[in-house]
Amino acid sequence: QVQLQESGPGLVKPSQILSLTCTVSGGSINSNTYYYSWIRQSAGKGLEWIGRLSTGGATNYSPSFQSRVTLSVDRSKNQFSLKLTSVTAADTAVYFCARDRQGWRSTSSGYLYYYNMDVWGKGTAVTVSS
Amino acid sequence: QSVLTQPPSVSAAPGQKVSISCSGSRANIGNSYVSWYQHRPGTAPKLLIYDDDQRPSGIPDRFSGSKSGTSVTLDITGLQAGDEADYFCGTWDTSLSAGVFGGGTKLTVL
Repeated sequence: QVQLQESGPGLVKPSQILSLTCTVSGGSINSNTYYYSWIRQSAGKGLEWIGRLSTGGATNYSPSFQSRVTLSVDRSKNQFSLKLTSVTAADTAVYFCARDRQGWRSTSSGYLYYYNMDVWGKGTAVTVSS
Repeated sequence: QSVLTQPPSVSAAPGQKVSISCSGSRANIGNSYVSWYQHRPGTAPKLLIYDDDQRPSGIPDRFSGSKSGTSVTLDITGLQAGDEADYFCGTWDTSLSAGVFGGGTKLTVL
């Protein structure tokens, strides 16, 4: 059974770089079937999608984070990572990694995109504060 | 401000049925299948429904999803105390080329 585990510093200073890693266990990250995403949840707010990447290195970023985020994969370690630059207190949140299933499917009325996250990590809390 | 719109909270008594709505636009729900996630604080979110109305293995049939146009609904029947959680809808927005979520709905079992 595949499991995901986030890790990284729980405290980051303002203006610095937030770096998190997600380790995949119970299966290989080297599958063209899946993408891997980062999502966060600030206190009292909903889930916020940050971005995703394939193990081949293809990425999609939320417009809200496009200028500050970089996702990368280390296939040899079965890990993928998030770097978020120029952090502020507004970036204080619980950060989750997840495994995505996605693609186009033909239906009677045309094509629909399917996108869901079938495996999630438990999340790691990050506070941005001096 | 979330791209998908959900009611902030719903409540019902044990054994009753509750419905949680999620509305969007042609660019997201209108073009993509929707998923529902259950999240209890401190735990990993769980995929409840995918492709609008499909249940992953292990999810009881008390949970069901439906879609009409640019809105989807999650129904939970036979409510149990253990169903108390936050529920999020999520999908892909083809205009943004990004994943999007609803703001979440807190379910209280009275």
